[in-house]
Amino acid sequence: DAEITQSPRHKITETGRQVTLACHQTWNHNNMFWYRQDLGHGLRLIHYSYGVQDTNKGEVSDGYSVSRSNTEDLPLTLESAASSQTSVYFCASSETKPGQGSTEAFFGQGTRLTVV
Amino acid sequence: GENVEQHPSTLSVQEGDSAVIKCTYSDSASNYFPWYKQELGKRPQLIIDIRSNVGEKKDQRIAVTLNKTAKHFSLHITETQPEDSAVYFCAAPNTGRRALTFGSGTRLQVQP
Repeated sequence: DAEITQSPRHKITETGRQVTLACHQTWNHNNMFWYRQDLGHGLRLIHYSYGVQDTNKGEVSDGYSVSRSNTEDLPLTLESAASSQTSVYFCASSETKPGQGSTEAFFGQGTRLTVV
Repeated sequence: GENVEQHPSTLSVQEGDSAVIKCTYSDSASNYFPWYKQELGKRPQLIIDIRSNVGEKKDQRIAVTLNKTAKHFSLHITETQPEDSAVYFCAAPNTGRRALTFGSGTRLQVQP
């Protein structure tokens, strides 16, 4: 069965370190997204990609970067981790159908990141 | 960009009662409105969605209504059960029409 997986599931890192969270989907979806989830804020969009070599900034992109070198993967990098980036991170993917716009987004299991 | 407001933030009902969660959106061009359920420690999962060419959609005990003129949509859960207890999120497409902007969530608790 097709799926979307994130790794690691849990990570503790120190302030100032570079951290990369992995996201891999086998749906062959063209769209991939990264969200962070914090109490009281719901899911906030960090970065997203509509296809290979395409990346776009979301509403909370400062301090994060992504790259899309193939269809399956969208790794999220925290260039210099800060305590404010302690959060649960969700990767998601979706397919765009001609003339239909947005469709269901499928989420990974999440990565709980703690920056100490 | 799209702005999605969701109310209430918490909702407690007795088992068997109905629950209603409401969302408003800002972009009149938005055309897709999904609802996600997130159980504790789990990933969000789609429970129902509606496109702007219809006003209501039902799936067993859940329904979504859409008022495009007023730019709001609502989730209705009838005959609530304890397993309906979760956080529910509404969403609408962002400016690019592919990424979703989410509401802040409603924690629903169904008391047995």
